[in-house]
Amino acid sequence: NAGVTQTPKFQVLKTGQSMTLQCAQDMNHEYMSWYRQDPGMGLRLIHYSVGAGITDQGEVPNGYNVSRSTTEDFPLRLLSAAPSQTSVYFCASSYSYEGGYEQYFGPGTRLTVT
Amino acid sequence: KNEVEQSPQNLTAQEGEFITINCSYSVGISALHWLQQHPGGGIVSLFMLSSGKKKHGRLIATINIQEKHSSLHITASHPRDSAVYICAVRGNQFYFGTGTSLTVIP
Repeated sequence: NAGVTQTPKFQVLKTGQSMTLQCAQDMNHEYMSWYRQDPGMGLRLIHYSVGAGITDQGEVPNGYNVSRSTTEDFPLRLLSAAPSQTSVYFCASSYSYEGGYEQYFGPGTRLTVT
Repeated sequence: KNEVEQSPQNLTAQEGEFITINCSYSVGISALHWLQQHPGGGIVSLFMLSSGKKKHGRLIATINIQEKHSSLHITASHPRDSAVYICAVRGNQFYFGTGTSLTVIP
């Protein structure tokens, strides 16, 4: 299994540009999520999905869109990049079982918006 | 308002020392995770706890549900343990602490 994969690893955008961060998992997990990690702050949830066709907003959704057309893929779209979106982005997938859950993280995408 | 608080924020230890990292949370949870993030950024899961205590090698994690507190202990610390350790809880969504940056000096 490849686990959770993310592309690209690094990206520089100019203010106003749009782009899509790709995320895929091959573990057949229903739950997928996108986080951003900023210095001095914990991981913050942007959007999440509990299954194909179902998405919902997290703590910091503004400026981002997601879709979940398949179980495997969960892309994150930046509509019009702003310097405040400079961050490291992590995609994760997880599954629940009786008594707990397991969460797997992608390697991250470091985004700089100038 | 931080649902998950970790202490200390930064920790430097000599190789071989016993290390404790603490996590307190304010929400009702179904489970708690300890994560490790190495320089270069990858995040891996160390433990999932819903009660009691777990041990993997030199790492021990405990949780007290009544007190809403968990601790991660590292025995006989080693430079390769240098990383950021993150406490995460699952309530109605996932909440993360800001992490404890550990440096172990040879």
